[in-house]
Order: sequence, then structure tokens, then C-alpha cells
Amino acid sequence: DAMVIQNPRYQVTQFGKPVTLSCSQTLNHNVMYWYQQKSSQAPKLLFHYYDKDFNNEADTPDNFQSRRPNTSFCFLDIRSPGLGDAAMYLCATSRDPGGADEQYFGPGTRLTVT
Amino acid sequence: GENVEQHPSTLSVQEGDSAVIKCTYSDSASNYFPWYKQELGKRPQLIIDIRSNVGEKKDQRIAVTLNKTAKHFSLHITETQPEDSAVYFCAASRGNMLTFGGGTRLMVKP
Repeated sequence: DAMVIQNPRYQVTQFGKPVTLSCSQTLNHNVMYWYQQKSSQAPKLLFHYYDKDFNNEADTPDNFQSRRPNTSFCFLDIRSPGLGDAAMYLCATSRDPGGADEQYFGPGTRLTVT
Repeated sequence: GENVEQHPSTLSVQEGDSAVIKCTYSDSASNYFPWYKQELGKRPQLIIDIRSNVGEKKDQRIAVTLNKTAKHFSLHITETQPEDSAVYFCAASRGNMLTFGGGTRLMVKP
């Protein structure tokens, strides 16, 4: 089945230790997104790619970086995780670069920072 | 940027009753309004969406209405069932950007 896959589903890292979360898609969608969702809050967009064009949200901390080596894969790098970065990280894709199209979410990676 | 407000933050209804969740948005250029349902620990799943050229859309027990002039849209769930219990998010989109409302926790009591 075409889908959005995230690995790992659960990640534990130490304070300050770099961590990478991965997302892959079999939908062949042009746009990929990374969201951060903290408990009882709405997803918050960190950045998105339209093909290889990177778009960073103004309030996304520099501690968060992303890579998209090809259409199928996208990575979220957290260079020095703090306790406040503990959250669910959701990857999503959409087909239409002009918007007005459904975003398909992956199952998320729950990040714990110790 | 876009700002989406969602009310109420919690809603408790009896099984079989209707539930209504309301959202307002600020950017008149927003043209796509999805509603997502999120169960605990799971991904948001699209349940219904509406585009700015449509005023109302219905899918079985779920309907959404959009008032572009007033910049508000609403989700209506009829004949609620316990499995409808979840957090519901509205969102407004301009281009690729989805801005979410704060969410509504719906509890359907059997």
C-alpha cells in the first residue's frame, strides 16, 4: 500500500546528543513536511520541501535541520536536543504544490530526551 | 500569517446526539479547509475537507460548512458514537501551508 513511513516509532536520546528521524513515502508526492506535536497541542509546522526547495518556518529553531536526498526520503536532524524538544514528530506529504490538497501523515516518531 | 481559532476545546455529548465544532480563520486568501481526527498516540487522519468555492459538504454522518465572508467553518457530526471520541483539528491552508486550530477533545458517552 502507498503510504508514509516513519522510523523509528520511538526514539530515546540524551540531552545534547544529536538524533536523526527518518521519513519515507511511496506516494511520489512533491511536497514533504515535518511537524512537531507536543502533548495536547496541535501539530506545528517546522519546515517543508517542495521537491528539493527547502522552506523553513520563521520560528523553527536553528537546532532543527532537514535533508531531502530524493523524492522518497526526508530526514529531521536535531543537533542538540533539549528537554523541550521531547514531542511527537510527524512527517506528512501532499501532491499539489499549489496547496488545496490533502496532507497524508505518517504514524509519527515519539522522541524522549533524557 | 494565518491564525486559526477553534472552539470549544472540549466537548462532551451523549451517544446519538450531535456535535458541532467551530473554527475561524484570519487570512482571506486561505482556500482549503480540512478537518483531522486524531486518536491518542496515532496520526491525524483526514475526515472531511472543503474548498473555498463550496459552501457545504456532507459525508454520511459528517458535514462541514464554510462561510467565506465571515471567515468561519464548522464541523457537524450527527448520531455520535463512542468511536467518534478523539481530538479533532480544523485547519486552513494557503498554498502548501496548513495552519491548525488548537483542537477539540470530543467525548461521546455511551
